[in-house]
Amino acid sequence: KNQVEQSPQSLIILEGKNCTLQCNYTVSPFSNLRWYKQDTGRGPVSLTIMTFSENTKSNGRYTATLDADTKQSSLHITASQLSDSASYICVVSATGGFKTIFGAGTRLFVKA
Amino acid sequence: NAGVTQTPKFRVLKTGQSMTLLCAQDMNHEYMYWYRQDPGMGLRLIHYSVGEGTTAKGEVPDGYNVSRLKKQNFLLGLESAAPSQTSVYFCASSDTSLAKNIQYFGAGTRLSVL
Repeated sequence: KNQVEQSPQSLIILEGKNCTLQCNYTVSPFSNLRWYKQDTGRGPVSLTIMTFSENTKSNGRYTATLDADTKQSSLHITASQLSDSASYICVVSATGGFKTIFGAGTRLFVKA
Repeated sequence: NAGVTQTPKFRVLKTGQSMTLLCAQDMNHEYMYWYRQDPGMGLRLIHYSVGEGTTAKGEVPDGYNVSRLKKQNFLLGLESAAPSQTSVYFCASSDTSLAKNIQYFGAGTRLSVL
């Protein structure tokens, strides 16, 4: 069964600290993995997209990693800011058709 | 630079009523999608379209219909609303296949069915 599981469900960190969010998937055959940021009351916004051959992708203070062998990805946020408070969603697509699975997201709270 | 615009933003319906959600994109994208987002769950695909005049079922299509008469618009219809359709609905568009490209999402429509 194609699944995307994210951990933790929620996380609270202090402003300026780093954090890492996890994503495990069983989607096959793998095409790409994306991380989205979703602010409260808004639609998701793309942060990174990685294909099978890419194992790291950065977007400012956001760095995503991908291990296609273990089917794991992580999103590392450096020097967190209050504006990083949001849900972070891992999305995995399979090749062919429209088989795309969204994770339930990790809710991040950054406190001053 | 509007991107993807959804109307309305909020709606309350009574069971059995009908309504249409409108999605408009100004990026000339071929692909458009409708999702629903429920608490504790990932977004689930309701219907999608790969071009003007085409539509296809996604993961949870029952109770919904769609139309894509113009390339820039994708309509989602509820013919007889049920409480189980209470959710936040997101429209998205992409330049090419979902498997190859990122999606751009609208701000969502929050629907309550009483």
